[in-house]
Amino acid sequence: SQQGEEDPQALSIQEGENATMNCSYKTSINNLQWYRQNSGRGLVHLILIRSNEREKHSGRLRVTLDTSKKSSSLLITASRAADTASYFCATAPQGGSEKLVFGKGTKLTVNP
Amino acid sequence: GAVVSQHPSWVICKSGTSVKIECRSLDFQATTMFWYRQFPKQSLMLMATSNEGSKATYEQGVEKDKFLINHASLTLSTLTVTSAHPEDSSFYICSARGGPGSYEQYFGPGTRLTVT
Repeated sequence: SQQGEEDPQALSIQEGENATMNCSYKTSINNLQWYRQNSGRGLVHLILIRSNEREKHSGRLRVTLDTSKKSSSLLITASRAADTASYFCATAPQGGSEKLVFGKGTKLTVNP
Repeated sequence: GAVVSQHPSWVICKSGTSVKIECRSLDFQATTMFWYRQFPKQSLMLMATSNEGSKATYEQGVEKDKFLINHASLTLSTLTVTSAHPEDSSFYICSARGGPGSYEQYFGPGTRLTVT
C-alpha cells in the first residue's frame, strides 16, 4: 500500500528559486528516503534520513524529518532546469522490513 | 558503483505471449531485488521481493503464476509476464538493495511493456 503522500502533486518554479516538497506517512519508520525520476527512466537515490535524525544535507539538497508529525520535506536550493523531474519519498517501515513504500510523488518543473 | 541494468528497455508483444525482463546488478552482488510496476503519472507499486536462491515473495493482489520471478544468481533476477494481456502494459522497474544492512535501493532504467 502507498504510505507516503507528497505535496504538492506538481510544482513549477523559475530557475534559481528554491523548491520545497513535503511528504507525510502513516506508520513508524526506520528511515525515509528521497528519490528522483526523470520521465520514463528509473529512480535515482538522493538521500536517506534515519528516524533518529532531524536534518540532513547533500549538496543543494536539504531534507528534514519530523517523526512526531510523520512528515519530511525536501528542499532543493538554487534550482536548475536539469532538476526537472518527479521526486518520490519512500519509507522503510520499522521492524526491519526490506521493503520501501513509495509516495505518489511531486512533479517538479524548473523553467529556464 | 551500484549500477543496475534492465533488458529490454522496451518491448511490444502480442496478447497471449510471454515476455521476459532481465534485471542485473553490474558491479555488486544483490541478494535481494525488487520488482515494481508503474502506471503513467503514478507512483511505484511493489510487485514482489526476490531473494537469491529462494522463492519470491509477492505482494497482495499480484498473481504469482502470471508474473514469474527467478533469482538464480547474485547478479540476475528475471520477471516473466506470462500470457500477457493489454492490461499488463506498464513500466516495469527493478531495484537491488545495496548490500546487507543497506536500506538504499538502486534502480534499473525500467522496461516499457506494450501488449497489443
